[in-house]
Amino acid sequence: QKEVEQDPGPLSVPEGAIVSLNCTYSNSAFQYFMWYRQYSRKGPELLMYTYSSGNKEDGRFTAQVDKSSKYISLFIRDSQPSDSATYLCAMSAYDTDKLIFGTGTRLQVFP
Amino acid sequence: KAGVTQTPRYLIKTRGQQVTLSCSPISGHRSVSWYQQTPGQGLQFLFEYFSETQRNKGNFPGRFSGRQFSNSRSEMNVSTLELGDSALYLCASSLVPRTSGRDEQFFGPGTRLTVL
Repeated sequence: QKEVEQDPGPLSVPEGAIVSLNCTYSNSAFQYFMWYRQYSRKGPELLMYTYSSGNKEDGRFTAQVDKSSKYISLFIRDSQPSDSATYLCAMSAYDTDKLIFGTGTRLQVFP
Repeated sequence: KAGVTQTPRYLIKTRGQQVTLSCSPISGHRSVSWYQQTPGQGLQFLFEYFSETQRNKGNFPGRFSGRQFSNSRSEMNVSTLELGDSALYLCASSLVPRTSGRDEQFFGPGTRLTVL
Protein backbone atom coordinates (compact mmCIF):
# COMPACT_ATOMS: atom_id res chain seq x y z
CA GLN A 1 0.00 0.00 0.00
CA LYS A 2 1.31 3.44 -0.92
CA GLU A 3 1.80 6.02 1.82
CA VAL A 4 -0.23 8.55 -0.16
CA GLU A 5 -3.18 7.66 -2.38
CA GLN A 6 -4.69 9.99 -4.95
CA ASP A 7 -7.34 9.29 -7.58
CA PRO A 8 -5.71 9.87 -11.02
CA GLY A 9 -8.90 11.10 -12.65
CA PRO A 10 -9.38 12.63 -15.11
CA LEU A 11 -11.94 14.86 -13.50
CA SER A 12 -13.92 16.85 -16.06
CA VAL A 13 -16.09 19.77 -14.89
CA PRO A 14 -17.82 22.76 -16.50
CA GLU A 15 -16.49 26.27 -15.97
CA GLY A 16 -17.77 27.77 -12.71
CA ALA A 17 -18.10 24.44 -10.91
CA ILE A 18 -16.69 23.74 -7.45
CA VAL A 19 -13.94 21.15 -7.67
CA SER A 20 -12.91 18.83 -4.88
CA LEU A 21 -9.56 17.04 -5.06
CA ASN A 22 -8.54 14.57 -2.39
CA CYS A 23 -5.71 12.50 -0.98
CA THR A 24 -5.58 9.90 1.74
CA TYR A 25 -2.47 8.87 3.62
CA SER A 26 -1.39 6.22 6.05
CA ASN A 27 1.51 7.80 7.97
CA SER A 28 0.19 9.56 11.08
CA ALA A 29 3.54 11.40 11.43
CA PHE A 30 2.78 13.65 8.45
CA GLN A 31 2.47 17.26 9.59
CA TYR A 32 3.08 19.35 6.46
CA PHE A 33 0.64 19.11 3.59
CA MET A 34 1.06 20.69 0.19
CA TRP A 35 -0.77 20.94 -3.08
CA TYR A 36 1.14 21.40 -6.31
CA ARG A 37 -0.25 22.29 -9.70
CA GLN A 38 1.43 20.95 -12.82
CA TYR A 39 0.52 22.22 -16.25
CA SER A 40 1.26 20.11 -19.30
CA ARG A 41 4.97 20.18 -20.22
CA LYS A 42 5.81 22.11 -17.05
CA GLY A 43 7.18 21.25 -13.65
CA PRO A 44 5.00 21.30 -10.50
CA GLU A 45 4.50 24.64 -8.75
CA LEU A 46 3.50 25.01 -5.11
CA LEU A 47 -0.12 26.09 -4.81
CA MET A 48 -1.05 25.68 -1.16
CA TYR A 49 0.75 24.73 2.02
CA THR A 50 -0.81 23.84 5.38
CA TYR A 51 0.61 22.69 8.67
CA SER A 52 -1.25 20.15 10.81
CA SER A 53 -5.04 20.22 10.77
CA GLY A 54 -7.50 22.86 9.66
CA ASN A 55 -8.35 24.96 6.66
CA LYS A 56 -6.41 27.50 4.64
CA GLU A 57 -7.90 29.77 2.02
CA ASP A 58 -6.16 31.62 -0.79
CA GLY A 59 -8.44 33.27 -3.31
CA ARG A 60 -10.51 30.59 -5.04
CA PHE A 61 -8.50 27.79 -3.41
CA THR A 62 -9.12 26.19 -0.01
CA ALA A 63 -6.94 23.46 1.45
CA GLN A 64 -8.40 21.28 4.19
CA VAL A 65 -6.64 18.76 6.42
CA ASP A 66 -8.40 16.16 8.55
CA LYS A 67 -5.67 14.35 10.46
CA SER A 68 -8.12 12.14 12.35
CA SER A 69 -9.27 10.65 9.03
CA LYS A 70 -5.85 10.99 7.34
CA TYR A 71 -7.54 12.88 4.53
CA ILE A 72 -6.70 16.13 2.79
CA SER A 73 -8.68 18.10 0.24
CA LEU A 74 -8.24 20.97 -2.16
CA PHE A 75 -11.34 22.89 -3.18
CA ILE A 76 -11.42 25.17 -6.20
CA ARG A 77 -14.33 27.59 -6.39
CA ASP A 78 -15.57 29.13 -9.64
CA SER A 79 -13.26 26.86 -11.64
CA GLN A 80 -11.77 28.28 -14.83
CA PRO A 81 -10.39 26.61 -17.97
CA SER A 82 -6.98 27.91 -16.86
CA ASP A 83 -7.27 25.61 -13.82
CA SER A 84 -6.97 22.61 -16.15
CA ALA A 85 -3.84 20.85 -14.93
CA THR A 86 -2.67 17.93 -12.83
CA TYR A 87 -2.87 18.51 -9.10
CA LEU A 88 -0.44 16.69 -6.84
CA CYS A 89 -0.67 16.40 -3.11
CA ALA A 90 2.53 16.07 -1.10
CA MET A 91 3.22 15.60 2.57
CA SER A 92 6.04 15.35 5.04
CA ALA A 93 6.67 14.53 8.66
CA TYR A 94 7.91 17.26 11.02
CA ASP A 95 11.53 16.27 11.42
CA THR A 96 12.37 15.23 7.89
CA ASP A 97 12.80 16.88 4.53
CA LYS A 98 11.44 13.80 2.78
CA LEU A 99 8.40 14.72 0.69
CA ILE A 100 5.95 12.01 -0.35
CA PHE A 101 3.89 12.85 -3.40
CA GLY A 102 0.59 11.48 -4.61
CA THR A 103 0.39 10.38 -8.23
CA GLY A 104 -1.71 13.40 -9.18
CA THR A 105 -5.28 14.04 -10.34
CA ARG A 106 -5.80 15.41 -13.84
CA LEU A 107 -8.45 18.14 -13.91
CA GLN A 108 -10.15 19.43 -17.04
CA VAL A 109 -12.39 22.49 -16.86
CA PHE A 110 -14.35 22.99 -20.06
CA PRO A 111 -15.93 26.33 -21.10
CA LYS B 1 14.57 36.10 -12.59
CA ALA B 2 15.02 33.02 -14.76
CA GLY B 3 13.56 29.80 -13.45
CA VAL B 4 15.08 26.34 -13.27
CA THR B 5 16.20 25.16 -16.69
CA GLN B 6 16.69 21.59 -17.80
CA THR B 7 18.30 20.23 -20.93
CA PRO B 8 17.49 18.46 -23.06
CA ARG B 9 13.71 18.63 -22.86
CA TYR B 10 13.19 15.37 -24.74
CA LEU B 11 15.43 12.37 -25.18
CA ILE B 12 15.04 8.98 -26.82
CA LYS B 13 17.50 6.22 -25.99
CA THR B 14 17.66 2.46 -26.36
CA ARG B 15 18.10 -0.16 -23.65
CA GLY B 16 21.64 -0.50 -22.42
CA GLN B 17 22.67 3.03 -23.32
CA GLN B 18 23.51 5.71 -20.81
CA VAL B 19 22.17 9.23 -20.55
CA THR B 20 23.17 12.51 -18.90
CA LEU B 21 20.61 15.15 -17.99
CA SER B 22 21.47 18.70 -17.01
CA CYS B 23 19.88 21.18 -14.60
CA SER B 24 20.63 24.84 -13.99
CA PRO B 25 19.07 26.12 -10.77
CA ILE B 26 17.62 29.55 -10.15
CA SER B 27 20.42 32.09 -9.73
CA GLY B 28 21.56 32.09 -6.11
CA HIS B 29 20.02 28.71 -5.33
CA ARG B 30 22.60 26.25 -4.11
CA SER B 31 20.54 23.15 -3.48
CA VAL B 32 19.39 20.92 -6.32
CA SER B 33 17.12 17.88 -6.06
CA TRP B 34 16.20 15.35 -8.72
CA TYR B 35 12.92 13.47 -9.04
CA GLN B 36 11.53 10.80 -11.32
CA GLN B 37 7.88 11.16 -12.32
CA THR B 38 5.87 8.28 -13.78
CA PRO B 39 2.09 7.82 -14.08
CA GLY B 40 2.07 4.81 -11.78
CA GLN B 41 4.47 5.93 -9.06
CA GLY B 42 4.14 9.70 -9.19
CA LEU B 43 7.11 11.81 -8.12
CA GLN B 44 9.88 9.88 -6.47
CA PHE B 45 12.94 11.50 -4.95
CA LEU B 46 16.27 10.53 -6.48
CA PHE B 47 18.86 12.68 -4.69
CA GLU B 48 19.73 16.15 -3.44
CA TYR B 49 22.99 18.05 -3.85
CA PHE B 50 24.32 21.04 -1.97
CA SER B 51 27.78 22.55 -2.33
CA GLU B 52 28.80 19.74 -4.66
CA THR B 53 27.95 17.10 -2.03
CA GLN B 54 25.11 14.61 -2.10
CA ARG B 55 22.98 15.19 1.00
CA ASN B 56 20.22 12.70 0.52
CA LYS B 57 19.49 9.77 -1.72
CA GLY B 58 16.23 8.05 -2.57
CA ASN B 59 15.63 4.38 -3.08
CA PHE B 60 16.99 3.95 -6.59
CA PRO B 61 19.64 1.56 -7.90
CA GLY B 62 23.26 2.60 -8.32
CA ARG B 63 22.70 3.07 -12.06
CA PHE B 64 21.32 6.48 -11.11
CA SER B 65 23.99 8.94 -10.12
CA GLY B 66 24.46 12.66 -10.04
CA ARG B 67 26.87 15.44 -9.35
CA GLN B 68 26.89 19.15 -8.74
CA PHE B 69 29.39 21.69 -9.97
CA SER B 70 30.81 24.71 -8.19
CA ASN B 71 28.34 26.98 -10.01
CA SER B 72 25.48 24.86 -8.55
CA ARG B 73 24.57 23.37 -11.91
CA SER B 74 23.82 19.67 -11.62
CA GLU B 75 23.88 16.64 -13.86
CA MET B 76 22.16 13.32 -13.48
CA ASN B 77 23.40 10.17 -15.15
CA VAL B 78 21.60 6.90 -15.76
CA SER B 79 23.68 4.00 -17.00
CA THR B 80 22.54 0.76 -18.63
CA LEU B 81 19.09 2.12 -19.37
CA GLU B 82 16.05 -0.10 -18.87
CA LEU B 83 12.57 0.25 -20.35
CA GLY B 84 11.27 1.13 -16.88
CA ASP B 85 13.51 4.20 -16.77
CA SER B 86 11.17 5.95 -19.21
CA ALA B 87 9.87 8.89 -17.20
CA LEU B 88 9.87 12.63 -16.73
CA TYR B 89 12.96 13.64 -14.77
CA LEU B 90 12.46 16.80 -12.79
CA CYS B 91 15.01 19.01 -11.17
CA ALA B 92 14.13 21.35 -8.32
CA SER B 93 16.19 24.06 -6.70
CA SER B 94 16.07 25.85 -3.37
CA LEU B 95 18.16 28.53 -1.71
CA VAL B 96 19.51 26.27 0.98
CA PRO B 97 19.28 22.55 1.67
CA ARG B 98 15.81 21.47 2.55
CA THR B 99 15.71 20.53 6.21
CA SER B 100 11.99 20.38 6.58
CA GLY B 101 8.99 19.39 4.55
CA ARG B 102 7.86 23.00 4.55
CA ASP B 103 10.89 24.32 2.68
CA GLU B 104 9.83 25.38 -0.78
CA GLN B 105 11.57 24.18 -3.88
CA PHE B 106 11.10 25.36 -7.46
CA PHE B 107 10.80 22.82 -10.23
CA GLY B 108 12.10 22.92 -13.76
CA PRO B 109 10.03 21.75 -16.76
CA GLY B 110 11.68 18.33 -16.77
CA THR B 111 13.38 16.10 -19.30
CA ARG B 112 11.13 13.50 -20.92
CA LEU B 113 13.21 10.33 -21.34
CA THR B 114 11.92 7.52 -23.51
CA VAL B 115 13.79 4.22 -23.51
CA LEU B 116 13.07 1.93 -26.46
